[in-house]
Amino acid sequence: DGGITQSPKYLFRKEGQNVTLSCEQNLNHDAMYWYRQDPGQGLRLIYYSQIVNDFQKGDIAEGYSVSREKKESFPLTVTSAQKNPTAFYLCASSPGGYTEAFFGQGTRLTVV
Amino acid sequence: QQPVQSPQAVILREGEDAVINCSSSKALYSVHWYRQKHGEAPVFLMILLKGGEQKGHDKISASFNEKKQQSSLYLTASQLSYSGTYFCGTEERPGGGADGLTFGKGTHLIIQP
Repeated sequence: DGGITQSPKYLFRKEGQNVTLSCEQNLNHDAMYWYRQDPGQGLRLIYYSQIVNDFQKGDIAEGYSVSREKKESFPLTVTSAQKNPTAFYLCASSPGGYTEAFFGQGTRLTVV
Repeated sequence: QQPVQSPQAVILREGEDAVINCSSSKALYSVHWYRQKHGEAPVFLMILLKGGEQKGHDKISASFNEKKQQSSLYLTASQLSYSGTYFCGTEERPGGGADGLTFGKGTHLIIQP
């Protein structure tokens, strides 16, 4: 089945550590996105990529990094520079052209 | 700029109607609507484009008032399955949504039997 897969579903990190969230899609979509969701805040765009080997910062990119070496994969690294990383992270992909974006099931990151 | 959604929350009885609004202080090119159930991925509902027609399927429809920069989502004869949080995502320039969306904070909809 085609879809977008995020792993792990739950992730715990100690303060000061970097952690990488995985996002893989087999929908052959060019565009991929990372959003952060906090209670009562909606979804906020972290990074997006419209093509392999290219990506742009979204509204809240500070403390995060991404790579897009393959069309199918768009991992997000939460670095120690991110001051408040505890949140629900959603990855999405889209073929573009004003069609729907498909979201993964999310990764809930907790800093302990 | 983050669009403003209203109301923040609404509780309905099954079969009642609901309207959720999404407003922006900036000129919008498109408005996208999603529904998210707790702990799950958002699910696409529809897209409205500037200059486009009102859209809808089944008992969920939406409109886009370009003069007011406001979109409204209409849920008719609500069903229990309509419960969840509704988000609007907006785009200020034509990009096919490829540059990502700016989402509102969401409207929590609870449908009671």
